[in-house]
Amino acid sequence: ETGVTQTPRHLVMGMTNKKSLKCEQHLGHNAMYWYKQSAKKPLELMFVYNFKEQTENNSVPSRFSPECPNSSHLFLHLHTLQPEDSALYLCASSQDPGTGQPQHFGDGTRLSIL
Amino acid sequence: SQQGEEDPQALSIQEGENATMNCSYKTSINNLQWYRQNSGRGLVHLILIRSNEREKHSGRLRVTLDTSKKSSSLLITASRAADTASYFCATDHSGGSNYKLTFGKGTLLTVNP
Repeated sequence: ETGVTQTPRHLVMGMTNKKSLKCEQHLGHNAMYWYKQSAKKPLELMFVYNFKEQTENNSVPSRFSPECPNSSHLFLHLHTLQPEDSALYLCASSQDPGTGQPQHFGDGTRLSIL
Repeated sequence: SQQGEEDPQALSIQEGENATMNCSYKTSINNLQWYRQNSGRGLVHLILIRSNEREKHSGRLRVTLDTSKKSSSLLITASRAADTASYFCATDHSGGSNYKLTFGKGTLLTVNP
């Protein structure tokens, strides 16, 4: 399944670095999501974009800054991260921002903060 | 918390056996979905069951939903080594146009050849 592509797959960065995660979906979907997956914790929803507009910010610290230039692309800009931000960051998309839509996930970016 | 909770946390079976995983949740839902995640990969949608449905089948998968008990089960029949993965239930509690899923911690299934 290559409908949702995330780059890079792995990222190691220092706490003072600035980096960006990229997500691209080739499914013609209108809604995109960022999730954080940490060991032994449920998947945490971070941001939701519907038709390029942010509709949900799940109390995410400002050191994470999302950007959605169009319905196919989603970025997560990172700066001044903390060690507890080390996790797998997953991007997902769904056809429409309506009830009952399965979400399609990318393979994630494994982020390690030194 | 609205999130679903899977049970058991880990399950180890032999190839050919059936695997049953359970999910409980706390508030009313629009639908419940099951996903699979192979190690190092993203989640893959398996099946969706709506709140007015009681049972659904897809290949070797059977999902049941009991809204009175706020619980669901996923049955994988005749398991294969390739079924080894983490399985998550996700509940949809959305209202209006604000659609989002709430995931549990997952069940790690190991199918031994």
